[in-house]
Amino acid sequence: KNEVEQSPQNLTAQEGEFITINCSYSVGISALHWLQQHPGGGIVSLFMLSSGKKKHGRLIATINIQEKHSSLHITASHPRDSAVYICAVMNYGGSQGNLIFGKGTKLSVKP
Amino acid sequence: EPEVTQTPSHQVTQMGQEVILRCVPISNHLYFYWYRQILGQKVEFLVSFYNNEISEKSEIFDDQFSVERPDGSNFTLKIRSTKLEDSAMYFCASSVERESREVEKLFFGSGTQLSVL
Repeated sequence: KNEVEQSPQNLTAQEGEFITINCSYSVGISALHWLQQHPGGGIVSLFMLSSGKKKHGRLIATINIQEKHSSLHITASHPRDSAVYICAVMNYGGSQGNLIFGKGTKLSVKP
Repeated sequence: EPEVTQTPSHQVTQMGQEVILRCVPISNHLYFYWYRQILGQKVEFLVSFYNNEISEKSEIFDDQFSVERPDGSNFTLKIRSTKLEDSAMYFCASSVERESREVEKLFFGSGTQLSVL
């Protein structure tokens, strides 16, 4: 059983649409990361959350620790948002960077 | 913005050969990590390094793997005797600024694609 589950696996949207990507996890965590992996393979960290909500530009990330669930929202999506979005959790008591990764959600935004 | 740099971007080697993957983390960061991603699979944690020693390693990080910070800037991953299944993209990352000591997010390098033939 995967400790970190993401849905959907694939998502196609039209430019301008509001997008939600979900992440559920089964372990106790101290933090959750949302990452963006570009088509070329490079990884960019978007957010690190331990509670509540964070916003950066058109991106919003929320986490519900009790429900073991996080969401990444993209408002006014754009073709340049096309990428794989990865949820990764830091096990409670684990060291920095010891992350359990989800399989990712592949987002394609059409013009 | 400061960045993590990795060299080489591609490495091809024969099975059984030793390879060294190099990384230059962000200069004022305290924690360093290696991850790998086999083609089509999810990213996996290999090892974390802090204060000149390994702080945690995964089951993947067996005796064939080692890490080193030979000077104040480089952080290397050595695979002693490569196997076909070591073929993957290897990512280096760093985090935690010396001044703030707060974990905000990880900074990843662009990766080294290792192909073992």
